[in-house]
Amino acid sequence: NAGVMQNPRHLVRRRGQEARLRCSPMKGHSHVYWYRQLPEEGLKFMVYLQKENIIDESGMPKERFSAEFPKEGPSILRIQQVVRGDSAAYFCASSPTAYEQYFGPGTRLTVT
Amino acid sequence: GQQVMQIPQYQHVQEGEDFTTYCNSSTTLSNIQWYKQRPGGHPVFLIQLVKSGEVKKQKRLTFQFGEAKKNSSLHITATQTTDVGTYFCAGHWGNTPLVFGKGTRLSVIA
Repeated sequence: NAGVMQNPRHLVRRRGQEARLRCSPMKGHSHVYWYRQLPEEGLKFMVYLQKENIIDESGMPKERFSAEFPKEGPSILRIQQVVRGDSAAYFCASSPTAYEQYFGPGTRLTVT
Repeated sequence: GQQVMQIPQYQHVQEGEDFTTYCNSSTTLSNIQWYKQRPGGHPVFLIQLVKSGEVKKQKRLTFQFGEAKKNSSLHITATQTTDVGTYFCAGHWGNTPLVFGKGTRLSVIA
């Protein structure tokens, strides 16, 4: 059973560009979570999705950020008009039960 | 919002010494989870504790959940260099999203 997959692993964007981060959950997992991690910090919850539904987006900034988990295909975290402060590692996790979470390798976003 | 406080922030030990990290919440948790993240890696789920006073062991790792379900600890006996990394606790209060502590970074000196 393949683990959670994320791509790209590294992404460099100039200020003002868009960043699209993809996450394919483990087979059979219907719960997907996105987290953001700054260096030397813990993980900050952003959004929790199930297929075609956003369950909890309380950690998502109100502007420029959006997430989806379509019926077919990976979950996508989209950041529009990136700014330097968006530079971070973004982790996706999936779960079969909404309890223990299995993390992907992350996408390291650098905004120049 | 809810948060979990984790101490210490850093711990340096000689190989073979024991290590303990503590996690505290001001309010009663539904459950607590522990994760390990190696440098440059991603968090890996270690365990979930649900019951008051629960103790679970995984080889040299012992996890405890306090009687009041407000605190938890992870103890590693006789550390090895493979134990290096950051250990995070993460808590649920009812249906809230998982909230991570800031982690304890463990260094092991051979």
